[in-house]
Amino acid sequence: DGGITQSPKYLFRKEGQNVTLSCEQNLNHDAMYWYRQDPGQGLRLIYYSQIVNDFQKGDIAEGYSVSREKKESFPLTVTSAQKNPTAFYLCASSPRLAGDGGELFFGEGSRLTVL
Amino acid sequence: KQEVTQIPAALSVPEGENLVLNCSFTDSAIYNLQWFRQDPGKGLTSLLLIQSSQREQTSGRLNASLDKSSGRSTLYIAASQPGDSATYLCAVLDPANQAGTALIFGKGTTLSVSS
Repeated sequence: DGGITQSPKYLFRKEGQNVTLSCEQNLNHDAMYWYRQDPGQGLRLIYYSQIVNDFQKGDIAEGYSVSREKKESFPLTVTSAQKNPTAFYLCASSPRLAGDGGELFFGEGSRLTVL
Repeated sequence: KQEVTQIPAALSVPEGENLVLNCSFTDSAIYNLQWFRQDPGKGLTSLLLIQSSQREQTSGRLNASLDKSSGRSTLYIAASQPGDSATYLCAVLDPANQAGTALIFGKGTTLSVSS
């Protein structure tokens, strides 16, 4: 079945550690995105990529890094520089950039807790 | 700056009722509007996508309307069922966004349908 797979679903991290969240899609979509969701707040864009080897910062990119070496994969690293990393992280993809009318499809999310 | 508001934040109805969820946005110059459903601890599922040139979209018991000039969208759910219980989010694609690629999300309406 086509879809977006995020792993792990739950992750615990000690302060000062970097962690990487995986996002894989088999929908053959060009564009991929990472969002962060906090309780009582809307989703906020961290990074997006419209093509392999290219990615752009979103509204809250500080403390995060990404790579796009393959069309199917868009991993997110939460670095120790991120002051408030505990959150629910959502990966999404679209056939083309959302600005061109592309509909977004989301993965099941990864919940990161910093101990 | 585009802002998306969803009212009410929470709604409880008995099974079988028809209901309307509201979404308003401050800048009418949008590319499209998308309604999502989110179950607790899960990712977002796309329900309906309305392009800026469209007035409404229908899928099964769901009907979404868009009035750009007044900055409003409604999601109508007919004959509600307990399985409809979830958080419903609307998001607009804002061309004024730096790259015109990101959706601006509301905080959602949490719906509870009792049997």
